[in-house]
Amino acid sequence: DIVMTQSPDSLAVSLGERATINCKSSQSVLYTSNNKNYLAWYQQKPGQPPKLLIYWASTRESGVPDRFSGSGSATDFTLTITSLQAQDVAVYYCHQYYSTPHTFGQGTKVEIK
Amino acid sequence: EVQLVESGGGLVQPGGSLRLSCAASGFTFSSYAMFWVRQAPGKGLEWVSTISNRGGNTYYADSVKGRFTISRDNSKNTLYLQMNSLRAEDTAVYYCAKEGPTYCSGGSCNSAEYFQHWGQGTPVTVSS
Repeated sequence: DIVMTQSPDSLAVSLGERATINCKSSQSVLYTSNNKNYLAWYQQKPGQPPKLLIYWASTRESGVPDRFSGSGSATDFTLTITSLQAQDVAVYYCHQYYSTPHTFGQGTKVEIK
Repeated sequence: EVQLVESGGGLVQPGGSLRLSCAASGFTFSSYAMFWVRQAPGKGLEWVSTISNRGGNTYYADSVKGRFTISRDNSKNTLYLQMNSLRAEDTAVYYCAKEGPTYCSGGSCNSAEYFQHWGQGTPVTVSS
């Protein structure tokens, strides 16, 4: 199984400041035949289902604000929120869909400082 | 608009059974693989099962293999999860999810098994 490890477990950021979440996979999730990283990011607010933010490691889902961006390749990935807003308080998860079983990171809780 | 509505959750005793349903609308159900993902109280996300668009291929987490069965009825636009021999550790909110659109490039296509759309979830509690 591919193990996904996020860091940090939680972070507190001031409004308008940058938040950075890292995700590391235990093996590469880059599919060389199509040069795609099989890595997604989700946002989950309390009492709500997860919401897709980013797929293919860096493609923003329709309707997601452009302050959210994803980067990285192979085993190391980053989700960046460039200017944190109050509505971004949530838990964020990375997810590899390169192989079954699908696996998630443990989650990173983002709060306002 | 894509809609996924789960039902069938509830309180069940250890060793009991439940059947979850997920009614889908707003897309061509028979064209997409579907998933069940669960979340135990206060915990993270755990993939449970996958079923291919026509139902011919199914996959399970080791934690549920042999106890849970995923199925679908494309004529009814409905996904199911039959859960038998339930244990306390199966207590969770169960979400159904739909995969993303197939990615095609250079004449070849690949499935996109990220979870593009999610239902609101149905809670399952296994307790005596």
